[in-house]
Amino acid sequence: DAGITQSPRHKVTETGTPVTLRCHQTENHRYMYWYRQDPGHGLRLIHYSYGVKDTDKGEVSDGYSVSRSKTEDFLLTLESATSSQTSVYFCAIRGGVSYNEQFFGPGTRLTVL
Amino acid sequence: QQQVKQSPQSLIVQKGGISIINCAYENTAFDYFPWYQQFPGKGPALLIAIRPDVSEKKEGRFTISFNKSAKQFSLHIMDSQPGDSATYFCAAMQTGTASKLTFGTGTRLQVTL
Repeated sequence: DAGITQSPRHKVTETGTPVTLRCHQTENHRYMYWYRQDPGHGLRLIHYSYGVKDTDKGEVSDGYSVSRSKTEDFLLTLESATSSQTSVYFCAIRGGVSYNEQFFGPGTRLTVL
Repeated sequence: QQQVKQSPQSLIVQKGGISIINCAYENTAFDYFPWYQQFPGKGPALLIAIRPDVSEKKEGRFTISFNKSAKQFSLHIMDSQPGDSATYFCAAMQTGTASKLTFGTGTRLQVTL
């Protein structure tokens, strides 16, 4: 898992509540990414970070915010969770020999009731 | 707008057979094409990747074929094994930027005995 952990691994919450997912890496990678995985859609990029306090939007960023105050941690926040945000969320880091490779964490399964 | 189209959605192959998964892309700026393998409950794992300056890349039983003029690429799994049963995702990226991956919708492969 390229030194990537995600917490929590599973979460059930109710509509309208705030939720924060955490991605932690141990190898000092500059780039980190948040994706969501849904049947029929593959993986879609939510937000990414290219350094501490440097973030940008991805394809499906509405309803999500991110923060990165330390190199090793990238947080994804759902300010007010909706049922459409029920999904599996994956964090990834950029690395590898060519530096184009992305390595994924184990995922967080989020259910919004 | 789906920039990477993947087919088939599901595939059943007998042990020892050849599994073929196809992808087509639209954005001619894409210049890095990885394939990911995902087992249930796990994050996607990088399997093999190709750049458009070559037409084929082989790693063990896995081969990527790339057709730049047709904007298509495919994954061939030779001598398919039950342990290859997983979901496979193609992806595409424009390198030199934020390295944002655009994924296909996935193919669920089942290799039967």
